[in-house]
Amino acid sequence: DSGVTQTPKHLITATGQRVTLRCSPRSGDLSVYWYQQSLDQGLQFLIQYYNGEERAKGNILERFSAQQFPDLHSELNLSSLELGDSALYFCASSPPPAPHEQYFGPGTRLTVT
Amino acid sequence: AQKVTQAQTEISVVEKEDVTLDCVYETRDTTYYLFWYKQPPSGELVFLIRRNSFDEQNEISGRYSWNFQKSTSSFNFTITASQVVDSAVYFCALSELKNTPLVFGKGTRLSVIA
Repeated sequence: DSGVTQTPKHLITATGQRVTLRCSPRSGDLSVYWYQQSLDQGLQFLIQYYNGEERAKGNILERFSAQQFPDLHSELNLSSLELGDSALYFCASSPPPAPHEQYFGPGTRLTVT
Repeated sequence: AQKVTQAQTEISVVEKEDVTLDCVYETRDTTYYLFWYKQPPSGELVFLIRRNSFDEQNEISGRYSWNFQKSTSSFNFTITASQVVDSAVYFCALSELKNTPLVFGKGTRLSVIA
């Protein structure tokens, strides 16, 4: 158990809908990262937050957004969902001052039908 | 730009055989970090090792060992006396000093057959 929690574990929704994925980092970790794992794209970085502020952006679609709250939990919002958004979404957290060591949550499997 | 290449898509070995998973990376930074993660069939990503670019010492942890060679930009992972529980997808990843998000390779699926 990495100490990073993600909810829900599975999510099935229809095209055009909006969903929110939630992540709680390990105690004391200030950085949260979101990654998407799909069969065709592999594991790709989406976005990073550090202590409530956006720190880095990767291949995140405009339909996707995220935020990190004062209690350090983070939410990833996916809207206008398409079939191609079906994937495993991981959250990872890292401790200061070792931002490079990332511990992953169990992931949320999103299926868009 | 950063890039990680895992040329072996799938490897199948018989239990107790040794197996080496290859990883080649590209980066322009002189300070960077290399990682291996394991993804068992249950789906979670398990951190195995982190190595920084200034530490080229090989590392051994039980049946696992890692060979880091800057001259060939490689960070290979060897499992000695493989077991069925080692069956998983293994990912190599890279991050840079000022760019901490991980860049992953495509992964190598290892199947250990009893």
